[in-house]
Amino acid sequence: SAVISQKPSRDICQRGTSLTIQCQVDSQVTMMFWYRQQPGQSLTLIATANQGSEATYESGFVIDKFPISRPNLTFSTLTVSNMSPEDSSIYLCSVLAWDRGLKLFFGEGSRLTVL
Amino acid sequence: AQKITQTQPGMFVQEKEAVTLDCTYDTSDQSYGLFWYKQPSSGEMIFLIYQGSYDEQNATEGRYSLNFQKARKSANLVISASQLGDSAMYFCAMRGMDSSYKLIFGSGTRLLVRP
Repeated sequence: SAVISQKPSRDICQRGTSLTIQCQVDSQVTMMFWYRQQPGQSLTLIATANQGSEATYESGFVIDKFPISRPNLTFSTLTVSNMSPEDSSIYLCSVLAWDRGLKLFFGEGSRLTVL
Repeated sequence: AQKITQTQPGMFVQEKEAVTLDCTYDTSDQSYGLFWYKQPSSGEMIFLIYQGSYDEQNATEGRYSLNFQKARKSANLVISASQLGDSAMYFCAMRGMDSSYKLIFGSGTRLLVRP
């Protein structure tokens, strides 16, 4: 399985600011994803981070609000732009890795609170 | 369209007893994968167990087993010998076997283990 590190683990942000979350994997992975979990809710896929090309966004999520970078096969960033209290969530990076089958593993998450 | 349903928002279990968390799914895919994840209060998503739709035997991982009933489209998680540390949210998830590898999550079940 892959070891995934996310930074920051938590942060408190002011309305209107932007924050970038980093995701580092200990091995090269083909597919990386970003999920959002709003308070008391399940996980929703934001986008697939594609290495060397623009991310693929799910319905309801746009690049201007959630720009994503994927400069190589072990690293990705998600920026939450112009934050509002509705953006208060846990943001989770996940990767597809082989462990007796292709499985999805998650980082420890970044808990953002927007005031 | 794929859908995951977890009908138990909350469950209690006595320490050392077994507990079953329900999950039903809906898909038109012939090939798919089913996952269970544990989310403690810290927010990280911990992979527990995986079942492929063509796996003939039910998956087991230590104290976790998956009761897979394909005809009923159910994939219930069984936790044996519950421990206090098992108290957490549990999410069932599914992915189709298309190239996107996206996961669809259920709404989750909060498990509380009583001493």
